[in-house]
Amino acid sequence: QKEVEQDPGPLSVPEGAIVSLNCTYSNSAFQYFMWYRQYSRKGPELLMYTYSSGNKEDGRFTAQVDKSSKYISLFIRDSQPSDSATYLCAMNAAGNKLTFGGGTRVLVKP
Amino acid sequence: KAGVTQTPRYLIKTRGQQVTLSCSPISGHRSVSWYQQTPGQGLQFLFEYFSETQRNKGNFPGRFSGRQFSNSRSEMNVSTLELGDSALYLCASSPGRDSPQFFGPGTRLTVL
Repeated sequence: QKEVEQDPGPLSVPEGAIVSLNCTYSNSAFQYFMWYRQYSRKGPELLMYTYSSGNKEDGRFTAQVDKSSKYISLFIRDSQPSDSATYLCAMNAAGNKLTFGGGTRVLVKP
Repeated sequence: KAGVTQTPRYLIKTRGQQVTLSCSPISGHRSVSWYQQTPGQGLQFLFEYFSETQRNKGNFPGRFSGRQFSNSRSEMNVSTLELGDSALYLCASSPGRDSPQFFGPGTRLTVL
């Protein structure tokens, strides 16, 4: 079983809808949680970086971390076609070794 | 600030050859990490360098190695290439320990 599980999708939503993404993990040592967006043939782009349990909001993006359930989420409000990409969750314990989920492909249809 | 740069962007090699990839981190960032991305295995950590020292290493064979220079630029080397080494190799930089990591565009390596 992988340390970080993420539904591969694809997740198809109409423009303007809320996109809901999540990851579960098994390693209780993970302390730092990230969401990246990756367009085809590009490097991952950091969207959100969180440390503690709770919510963090940045523009149209909201990240949630529930350490007790080992569950993290990313919500994208007012989705746009330009949000169509693969979304990767990543996490690490102390140090810079990131463990990634497999990524969820999101399609936002006009 | 300029982002993370990686050269070359594309490489084609044959089995048995060796390859060297280069990464220039964001100015002021001292930590450089390398990752391999494949369709089957996803993104996997290779190693991290901080102040010219390897600080962490993933589960890859010894054919994969790296180094970091005093200006924080880093190189990774893969010797005796195998077909399975075909992948997107990504470099990420961060200011230090337990900090956000910012990725470059990657080097796409194809081994024939």
